[in-house]
Amino acid sequence: DAGVIQSPRHEVTEMGQEVTLRCKPISGHDYLFWYRQTMMRGLELLIYFNNNVPIDDSGMPEDRFSAKMPNASFSTLKIQPSEPRDSAVYFCASSSTASNYGYTFGSGTRLTVV
Amino acid sequence: AQSVAQPEDQVNVAEGNPLTVKCTYSVSGNPYLFWYVQYPNRGLQFLLKYITGDNLVKGSYGFEAEFNKSQTSFHLKKPSALVSDSALYFCAVRDDTDKLIFGTGTRLQVFP
Repeated sequence: DAGVIQSPRHEVTEMGQEVTLRCKPISGHDYLFWYRQTMMRGLELLIYFNNNVPIDDSGMPEDRFSAKMPNASFSTLKIQPSEPRDSAVYFCASSSTASNYGYTFGSGTRLTVV
Repeated sequence: AQSVAQPEDQVNVAEGNPLTVKCTYSVSGNPYLFWYVQYPNRGLQFLLKYITGDNLVKGSYGFEAEFNKSQTSFHLKKPSALVSDSALYFCAVRDDTDKLIFGTGTRLQVFP
């Protein structure tokens, strides 16, 4: 298995532009998580899905952020419009009940908003 | 509510010496506990977990962790540190909604 795959690895965009981050979880995993990591705030859970259904989006910072999981093998995190304070590394992770909930993380997307 | 605490922002140790990275937890019920490591410009990688059974759990790269119920601790240990162990280490506990609650991380620096 190739693991959790995120794209792009790096994204530089101008303030006000729409940004879409993509994630392909491990096949068979029924949980998918989106995290944001910054020096100031550490690792923050933004939203997570179970069987493609959003369970908890209380970590989404504001309405500019949205996430979807149209099927078991794909999820997106969208920021529209983007702001400089959104600059961070965004991680996707997946897990399964069968694995006793241990997570597998992707390599992350480093977002820079200028 | 479930939580974990990593009291040290940074731990410094000389290569070849034993290392300990501390973690304490607060849960209702039986804890599911995890350690992850993050190398520069990489995602978090699973090291080990405690679900039930032996209090001493062995994991990847020679790391182990000791579950201590009376002290509500799950410290990460390694008998002999390597420079390549230098990284950011996260402790985590599963909460009752099946997601992991991560600590703030401890940066381990191993000096040659």
